[in-house]
Amino acid sequence: ETGVTQTPRHLVMGMTNKKSLKCEQHLGHNAMYWYKQSAKKPLELMFVYNFKEQTENNSVPSRFSPECPNSSHLFLHLHTLQPEDSALYLCASSQDLVVSGSRQYFGPGTRLTVT
Amino acid sequence: DQQVKQNSPSLSVQEGRISILNCDYTNSMFDYFLWYKKYPAEGPTFLISISSIKDKNEDGRFTVFLNKSAKHLSLHIVPSQPGDSAVYFCAASGQDDYKLSFGAGTTVTVRA
Repeated sequence: ETGVTQTPRHLVMGMTNKKSLKCEQHLGHNAMYWYKQSAKKPLELMFVYNFKEQTENNSVPSRFSPECPNSSHLFLHLHTLQPEDSALYLCASSQDLVVSGSRQYFGPGTRLTVT
Repeated sequence: DQQVKQNSPSLSVQEGRISILNCDYTNSMFDYFLWYKKYPAEGPTFLISISSIKDKNEDGRFTVFLNKSAKHLSLHIVPSQPGDSAVYFCAASGQDDYKLSFGAGTTVTVRA
């Protein structure tokens, strides 16, 4: 399988649930990203990992907890979410954290609904 | 504060005609600009980019124009085809910065 894959594609969870989103890239990249896309809004960067080390936490609430066990896998652990957290969560990867021109490759996203 | 703006949420164009998508930015430190295309149920895919040292970049039917003084870029698709129907995102990154700032997207519908 090539590219960036994400599972599950759709997730419905209650506010007291704990769930995890998974991302896997098969491109040999070293950097991975989590984005949130709410309806009709720009993609918001949440977290960045480079060589498994977190380099960016864009003021994300602690109910979102990322994990990067290796350069190919990225997880987003979710707990006690709020309805306003319902969104499309996109994972992306890039070769490195190249300044001015980092081309990122995106997965298909997980559509999350919090009830 | 949204630094990249796509003020037209949607665009409808007839097949064979030109599609022009616009993007404005506020951060003068941006020096690299990209367009991504997104189909439903798929992630965004890279389409074309331009560096601030250029004012035009062409790739087949797609051309991106950059006007730095106006902080404006546009994407031209000619001729438009039904397969071009998608959401198009403008993105920008700054000097010494790997992060991308995205616009909210423009939904293009190409009518047969």
